[in-house]
Amino acid sequence: ETGVTQTPRHLVMGMTNKKSLKCEQHLGHNAMYWYKQSAKKPLELMFVYSLEERVENNSVPSRFSPECPNSSHLFLHLHTLQPEDSALYLCASSLSWDGEQFFGPGTRLTVL
Amino acid sequence: GENVEQHPSTLSVQEGDSAVIKCTYSDSASNYFPWYKQELGKGPQLIIDIRSNVGEKKDQRIAVTLNKTAKHFSLHITETQPEDSAVYFCAASPGGYQKVTFGTGTKLQVIP
Repeated sequence: ETGVTQTPRHLVMGMTNKKSLKCEQHLGHNAMYWYKQSAKKPLELMFVYSLEERVENNSVPSRFSPECPNSSHLFLHLHTLQPEDSALYLCASSLSWDGEQFFGPGTRLTVL
Repeated sequence: GENVEQHPSTLSVQEGDSAVIKCTYSDSASNYFPWYKQELGKGPQLIIDIRSNVGEKKDQRIAVTLNKTAKHFSLHITETQPEDSAVYFCAASPGGYQKVTFGTGTKLQVIP
């Protein structure tokens, strides 16, 4: 058990739907991350939050909207997605900016 | 920006044999090199890491070597076991959580 949980584990949505991914860490970490994992591509860092403040946004389309209400919770709000957004979305956390990142199991997203 | 290349993309070995995965990086400022293991249905998990002031690090059957001059680092797994079967990712970072660049992954299959 990594201490980082993600819900739901699987999600199928249409291009006009609005859904949210949830991540929760029970490790007392200060930084949280969203990654996108597609087949045969490196993990892509999407967003980084440190102490609830967004510190990185790697040119992610506005149809992805992150929210970090506190240091233990991280959300990724999705709307009007495209089929190419289908991927495994991973959440991670770390104690400090250069510390080991602990990953959750991911949410497998399919956009129809 | 940093570019990390990882080879091979797939690797099959007999149980008990050794496995070697190689990565190269482009940014000479990178000084932290973690390796992650991702099992089916799980998020990546850190298995070993090395910093640029060290040339080699070993943890039981796993070792990592770093050649800063040539900008390459390798993961060595000895006496492989079926439970070593997974996808392995290398990564490089000059420091700072937003700057970790991952390789494309190596799918290791250990044949009993």
